[in-house]
Amino acid sequence: AQSVTQPDIHITVSEGASLELRCNYSYGATPYLFWYVQSPGQGLQLLLKYFSGDTLVQGIKGFEAEFKRSQSSFNLRKPSVHWSDAAEYFCAVVYNTNAGKSTFGDGTTLTVKP
Amino acid sequence: DGGITQSPKYLFRKEGQNVTLSCEQNLNHDAMYWYRQDPGQGLRLIYYSQIVNDFQKGDIAEGYSVSREKKESFPLTVTSAQKNPTAFYLCASGFSRGRGETQYFGPGTRLLVL
Repeated sequence: AQSVTQPDIHITVSEGASLELRCNYSYGATPYLFWYVQSPGQGLQLLLKYFSGDTLVQGIKGFEAEFKRSQSSFNLRKPSVHWSDAAEYFCAVVYNTNAGKSTFGDGTTLTVKP
Repeated sequence: DGGITQSPKYLFRKEGQNVTLSCEQNLNHDAMYWYRQDPGQGLRLIYYSQIVNDFQKGDIAEGYSVSREKKESFPLTVTSAQKNPTAFYLCASGFSRGRGETQYFGPGTRLLVL
């Protein structure tokens, strides 16, 4: 079965520092990869997605992610974190053989220190 | 103004009672999904529907039921058989093309048991 692992449950960074959130997916058919962000009590908002092509994808709010097939990873990065980035972040994977069903990681909570 | 709406924002259920959560979208999406989110966990798929009048069980369908009579609507009923219904419920929709597609999420409904 497909699975997604986000190894870090909670990350704290200082405002202005760089950020990297890790995501690993189980090996399978061609994956489609997503990062979503969720503010408390809200739905999920798509940050970026990877379907094919350039392995470095740009998203909204200054986020980017790099797909590394050899490492089965899709880590999310941001060069300079803002206080408003504090939220929960979810990585998700869809395999093209699975009727579009998404599997989500357990999430990483980001705290931003002033 | 296109989007996906869920109502109510908060819902209280008494023991033995069935309750229905509403999900409506005007994005012309074929596929709709229901997820359950518990604290510290990712999203778990309850039911999904790729077309009208058809739906499939997800990973945790027991104690839930759905219908898909209209493309725009995908209500979820939490039945009395669901013994631990307290959670945050998220509805999502997307284009169904037999491969991964971006899912758009509603704002969620928080269900609490009295």
